[in-house]
Amino acid sequence: DTGVSQNPRHKITKRGQNVTFRCDPISEHNRLYWYRQTLGQGPEFLTYFQNEAQLEKSRLLSDRFSAERPKGSFSTLEIQRTEQGDSAMYLCASSTTDLNEKLFFGSGTQLSVL
Amino acid sequence: GENVEQHPSTLSVQEGDSAVIKCTYSDSASNYFPWYKQELGKRPQLIIDIRSNVGEKKDQRIAVTLNKTAKHFSLHITETQPEDSAVYFCAATNSNSGYALNFGKGTSLLVTP
Repeated sequence: DTGVSQNPRHKITKRGQNVTFRCDPISEHNRLYWYRQTLGQGPEFLTYFQNEAQLEKSRLLSDRFSAERPKGSFSTLEIQRTEQGDSAMYLCASSTTDLNEKLFFGSGTQLSVL
Repeated sequence: GENVEQHPSTLSVQEGDSAVIKCTYSDSASNYFPWYKQELGKRPQLIIDIRSNVGEKKDQRIAVTLNKTAKHFSLHITETQPEDSAVYFCAATNSNSGYALNFGKGTSLLVTP
């Protein structure tokens, strides 16, 4: 499968713990995005990278959230001191910077905070 | 910021009928409007998109129309099949400042045989 890959698929954690998710984009894609999706809602934009530079962050991304893309390839999203309200599907997506770029999503990491 | 409204939230049609889902957006600078299909437990998948320099685009049984003046766009599915059953999301963004898509809340489409 040469699509966007996310790990783990599921994560159950206790409130207050830190969690980290990984996203591997499509290899030739230099833009990488993180979204969050809760049940019955559309994905909500969190942040995006062009290569290793983080170019935009949503107000949804509190200071407990940090994302990195150190070498412009894979990315990690860390949530510190998790809260029950952080329970959601975290989706990664990638795209090129071509004129006709399109966003391709991974299967997501389902986070449950107990 | 951009606000995307999507209607209806649920839609039930009989196999073979047409389905129409409508979205409105608020930011006149938005110029890219994709539609995603999400089956239960799966990733959102791009099914069709349209850019603001085009009024209509068609791909087999799926078409999208855009009215920039009224700031609304619609998805049309003809000859619906049971496998079209899924949640459909519209989205809008200004691609000149990145592709931070603003999604609607989704339409759950059920196609009954």
